[in-house]
Amino acid sequence: GQNIDQPTEMTATEGAIVQINCTYQTSGFNGLFWYQQHAGEAPTFLSYNVLDGLEEKGRFSSFLSRSKGYSYLLLKELQMKDSASYLCAVRDGDYKLSFGVGTTVTVRA
Amino acid sequence: IAGITQAPTSQILAAGRRMTLRCTQDMRHNAMYWYRQDLGLGLRLIHYSNTAGTTGKGEVPDGYSVSRANTDDFPLTLASAVPSQTSVYFCASSPGTSGSEQFFGPGTRLTVL
Repeated sequence: GQNIDQPTEMTATEGAIVQINCTYQTSGFNGLFWYQQHAGEAPTFLSYNVLDGLEEKGRFSSFLSRSKGYSYLLLKELQMKDSASYLCAVRDGDYKLSFGVGTTVTVRA
Repeated sequence: IAGITQAPTSQILAAGRRMTLRCTQDMRHNAMYWYRQDLGLGLRLIHYSNTAGTTGKGEVPDGYSVSRANTDDFPLTLASAVPSQTSVYFCASSPGTSGSEQFFGPGTRLTVL
């Protein structure tokens, strides 16, 4: 099975940077995903890492270290609309995802 | 293009009743999934299907059944609902190929009294 840990809450100021960490212990690994979920809505895909290193996509970046079982999602130039829950998910070899509980990010003016 | 749809949007159900949650996708994705999301527990996989005609059990399958008669539809049935099945249910689909993300439906909010 999978054990995925991420902080439950983070607060940051508009325009700032926030880093959400995710650690995992898995019996099989076939990639790590980050999803964004606004309150009352469905999760939407943000990023995917399968090799070590940094993937950058606009204001959002995601990093993976497979040897350390560690990933982070970096949100830059925070905007009010970034207030949401961010879900870390690990995929096993059978295309099944296991999710962390999610990190609720609150952006303050 | 609708993507992935779920019905109903919400439902209040008496304990002991049978209920089927519907999920349809028009993206011709091979793989489909059912999750439940509960406060403090995150998304948990109930059942999945890697291709039409096959299904598998996820992390929390008890009390639920699924079928995958064709590519587009993946209904989830609660044979005899219990209050602990009160949750938000999300259906998702994926092409199934390496690197492809899952696309989520809008969810069904189910309350079992």
